[in-house]
Amino acid sequence: GENVEQHPSTLSVQEGDSAVIKCTYSDSASNYFPWYKQELGKRPQLIIDIRSNVGEKKDQRIAVTLNKTAKHFSLHITETQPEDSAVYFCAATSGGYQKVTFGTGTKLQVIP
Amino acid sequence: KAGVTQTPRYLIKTRGQQVTLSCSPISGHRSVSWYQQTPGQGLQFLFEYFSETQRNKGNFPGRFSGRQFSNSRSEMNVSTLELGDSALYLCASSLAKGSTEAFFGQGTRLTVV
Repeated sequence: GENVEQHPSTLSVQEGDSAVIKCTYSDSASNYFPWYKQELGKRPQLIIDIRSNVGEKKDQRIAVTLNKTAKHFSLHITETQPEDSAVYFCAATSGGYQKVTFGTGTKLQVIP
Repeated sequence: KAGVTQTPRYLIKTRGQQVTLSCSPISGHRSVSWYQQTPGQGLQFLFEYFSETQRNKGNFPGRFSGRQFSNSRSEMNVSTLELGDSALYLCASSLAKGSTEAFFGQGTRLTVV
């Protein structure tokens, strides 16, 4: 089955700096890669996603890149703000059967 | 439109008991997935239902089961509860037409004592 590895597990950055979280996946059939943000005590919420026919996607301060050959994808947050502090999960989904495999999460702390 | 609703929000059970959790998906969503979230293990996939059929199953023992009704509402059941079953149980619904965004409920916090 699919295996998703996520690094780092914790990340501290100064406000205004950039943060990068990396994930690798094992199933070459995976074709949809969402990123979720989970604030303390709240539900995970989608912040950005990318499909396998696209190499990069950007939404304001957030961007995701995908390298299908190497089977890895990354989340980039620029100009970080304290409200970006949360746990971020990457995930890989294969086919139309919505089998989603999540990474183990990255706890991001943005220091004011 | 209403989001994903999970009930109850909190539950305390004793070892050996069983528990049933409920999830009402977003209207029109036919896929419901369940996850167990613990501090050390992240989000672990339990199972996914679509049109009352279990399509995918994670690596959990048979004590964990689920079902989906014709209105897409889903329940999961855990029998013979163990202390290690204490966790936040999240369900997520999606349209399931290909790979699409999953919307999570607030979760049910289960504590086994």
